Amino acid sequence: GESVGLHLPTLSVQEGDNSIINCAYSNSASDYFIWYKQESGKGPQFIIDIRSNMDKRQGQRVTVLLNKTVKHLSLQIAATQPGDSAVYFCAENRGAGTALIFGKGTTLSVSS
Amino acid sequence: EADIYQTPRYLVIGTGKKITLECSQTMGHDKMYWYQQDPGMELHLIHYSYGVNSTEKGDLSSESTVSRIRTEHFPLTLESARPSHTSQYLCASSELLIEFFGQGTRLTVV
Repeated sequence: GESVGLHLPTLSVQEGDNSIINCAYSNSASDYFIWYKQESGKGPQFIIDIRSNMDKRQGQRVTVLLNKTVKHLSLQIAATQPGDSAVYFCAENRGAGTALIFGKGTTLSVSS
Repeated sequence: EADIYQTPRYLVIGTGKKITLECSQTMGHDKMYWYQQDPGMELHLIHYSYGVNSTEKGDLSSESTVSRIRTEHFPLTLESARPSHTSQYLCASSELLIEFFGQGTRLTVV
């Protein structure tokens, strides 16, 4: 079935580097996307969201880019810190009244 | 940020036992969800509710059941636990589109 997926299961970076985590989705009807961060032993935590009528949205040290032409979503983390080490999930919403659909997750490891 | 609580955090239980995982939220959200997640893997929706007395099964088949008698409470019950039920169970609630998660219950059935 259709699902949201991430390109790489793991990503290792050095402290201070910029990180880019990618996600591909298959349902062109999806109109809302969220990035979550899940630290070990905890539930997912909301990071940033974007609607399908936008290409880019910025938060504190994070930027989400949406390319609807190729159905691609990315999360950019600037000046990555050890505290950013976690599993990152993208999730899509396919319409009002439906639950989020989650991708497989990328484990980000930050070494100092 | 929503306040959503799950108990217990960890549970080890024998095969055949009946268990109930508790989930409560204090934000008055109408929508609540249960997900099952193996370590580091994606979340699979097993149950959801859009309000009191409303419950639906999710995409992943589950032998568990849920109830929604009060807005703030959404417990999940396994009538007879099996080793295949070993997993992490995450509860979430939402008002609009953003789902807020509890800390999860890590269940081990031996």
